[in-house]
Amino acid sequence: AQKVTQAQTEISVVEKEDVTLDCVYETRDTTYYLFWYKQPPSGELVFLIRRNSFDEQNEISGRYSWNFQKSTSSFNFTITASQVVDSAVYFCALNLDGNEKLTFGTGTRLTIIP
Amino acid sequence: DTAVSQTPKYLVTQMGNDKSIKCEQNLGHDTMYWYKQDSKKFLKIMFSYNNKELIINETVPNRFSPKSPDKAHLNLHINSLELGDSAVYFCASSQYLLRENYEQYFGPGTRLTVT
Repeated sequence: AQKVTQAQTEISVVEKEDVTLDCVYETRDTTYYLFWYKQPPSGELVFLIRRNSFDEQNEISGRYSWNFQKSTSSFNFTITASQVVDSAVYFCALNLDGNEKLTFGTGTRLTIIP
Repeated sequence: DTAVSQTPKYLVTQMGNDKSIKCEQNLGHDTMYWYKQDSKKFLKIMFSYNNKELIINETVPNRFSPKSPDKAHLNLHINSLELGDSAVYFCASSQYLLRENYEQYFGPGTRLTVT
């Protein structure tokens, strides 16, 4: 069985602050994939990143960075110098090797205050 | 070009009616999915088809019947609609077992409101 927990239901920060969204996952599999998706107010789901279980390197893409730590089963997402356009619901998701299902966390609603 | 498209975008209907939502992908993928997002934004998979064959069927009432006429299309038919069926339904597609670049591409969603 697999599970994804996003304990932060809602976060509000003032524009230009940094913010970290937490994601904790559970699985007994050794091969798996982790994802982050963004759902802006317009409603579509936007793919942000995929990370496989064998690659613990942190990743940076512009103002976005991801910290994957297998020791704590966490895959946290940090936005640096937040902007109003970052306001959205962010989902962390888990996929097990050989299984086509994505298991989503409950999402974190991020509001950037101008 | 739209990768995964759904029609309609909005659907308002009364309890007891039967309705369908259509999904098409032009990515050449062989696997398609239906997800349901409830009012609390919780996203849960309902079905998945690979090359027109059902591979995932979560605990969904049998009033919901997916149909895949070919690998580029996956439609969702719902009989005897209930208030609790109100949600946003997302279609998605991927390439089966393509591990290196595995990603599910989502459609824009269909907001279903049952009154």
